[in-house]
Amino acid sequence: GENVEQHPSTLSVQEGDSAVIKCTYSDSASNYFPWYKQELGKRPQLIIDIRSNVGEKKDQRIAVTLNKTAKHFSLHITETQPEDSAVYFCAASRGNQFYFGTGTSLTVIP
Amino acid sequence: DVKVTQSSRYLVKRTGEKVFLECVQDMDHENMFWYRQDPGLGLRLIYFSYDVKMKEKGDIPEGYSVSREKKERFSLILESASTNQTSMYLCASSSAGSSYEQYFGPGTRLTVT
Repeated sequence: GENVEQHPSTLSVQEGDSAVIKCTYSDSASNYFPWYKQELGKRPQLIIDIRSNVGEKKDQRIAVTLNKTAKHFSLHITETQPEDSAVYFCAASRGNQFYFGTGTSLTVIP
Repeated sequence: DVKVTQSSRYLVKRTGEKVFLECVQDMDHENMFWYRQDPGLGLRLIYFSYDVKMKEKGDIPEGYSVSREKKERFSLILESASTNQTSMYLCASSSAGSSYEQYFGPGTRLTVT
């Protein structure tokens, strides 16, 4: 089956700085890579996703990059704000089933 | 607006009890999932279902079973609860096929004493 590794497990940045979270996957057939944000006490919600036919996708301050050859993808958050503080999960999928990383707890220090 | 609801936010049960966790979605989604979430371990798939009365084991099915009698409802059953099943349980649903967003419920915090 698929194996998704996520790093770092915790990340602290100053407000206004950038944050980068990296994930690797093992199954070259995976073709969909979503990122979920889970605020404290709330449900995970999709913030951005990328498909295997695309190398990069941006949505305002967040972006995701995908390197299919190396089997890794990354989440980039620029100009971080305190409300970006949350746990972020990456996932890889090639069908109905998602394989999630272990999560990154991001703290943005005002 | 997709809505996925779970029967309880918090539940406390005793060791050996049979526990039912229910999940309902209102978007006519074919796929439904049960995960457990533990610190440092992320979201681990217990079972999923891609159609009524169909089920597939996920990564950690031991000690759990599921039931899907109606398309909108997916139940997780702990036949004999144990303390190592104390966890946050999250239900999710999605449309059939690949590359579709999973929508999560609010979660049930289960404590087994």
